Amino acid sequence: DSGVTQTPKHLITATGQRVTLRCSPRSGDLSVYWYQQSLDQGLQFLIHYYNGEERAKGNILERFSAQQFPDLHSELNLSSLELGDSALYFCASSVGTGTYNEQFFGPGTRLTVL
Amino acid sequence: DQQVKQNSPSLSVQEGRISILNCDYTNSMFDYFLWYKKYPAEGPTFLISISSIKDKNEDGRFTVFLNKSAKHLSLHIVPSQPGDSAVYFCAASVQNYGGSQGNLIFGKGTKLSVKP
Repeated sequence: DSGVTQTPKHLITATGQRVTLRCSPRSGDLSVYWYQQSLDQGLQFLIHYYNGEERAKGNILERFSAQQFPDLHSELNLSSLELGDSALYFCASSVGTGTYNEQFFGPGTRLTVL
Repeated sequence: DQQVKQNSPSLSVQEGRISILNCDYTNSMFDYFLWYKKYPAEGPTFLISISSIKDKNEDGRFTVFLNKSAKHLSLHIVPSQPGDSAVYFCAASVQNYGGSQGNLIFGKGTKLSVKP
């Protein structure tokens, strides 16, 4: 158990809908990273928050947005869903922002768009 | 354009033998490399890392080698055990990528099967 929790574990929805994925980092961790793992793809970095502030954006679509709340949990919002958005979504947390801070991953949320 | 490549989707090894997982990268700015291990229905777990100033890092049965001139790293597992069967991801980190430090660039993974 990494100490990072993600809810829900599974999510099935239809095209055009909007969903929210939730992540609670390990106690004491200020950084939250979101990654997407599509079929046959490695984990793609989406976005990074540190202590409530957005720090970096990766391959995140405009239909996707995220935020980190004062209690440090984070939510990833996916809207106007398409079939291609079906994937595993992982969040990871770390103490700081630097390269050498180990990232601890949650178990992921499996999103299926029908 | 994939910056981190793991060209072998799968690898099968006999228990007790050496497992060698390979990874190539294209971005010479990468200064930190990591290996993550992933079991089904779980998130990736950090295994071992290496800084670009080193060419080898060892932790028990796991050793990572870095060849900067070839932009290549490898993970050696000796001896391999059935419990090592998992997907192994190579990852790299770029300083100041997008104004942040620390977000990881992953390869697609190699599925290792260790047979008893």
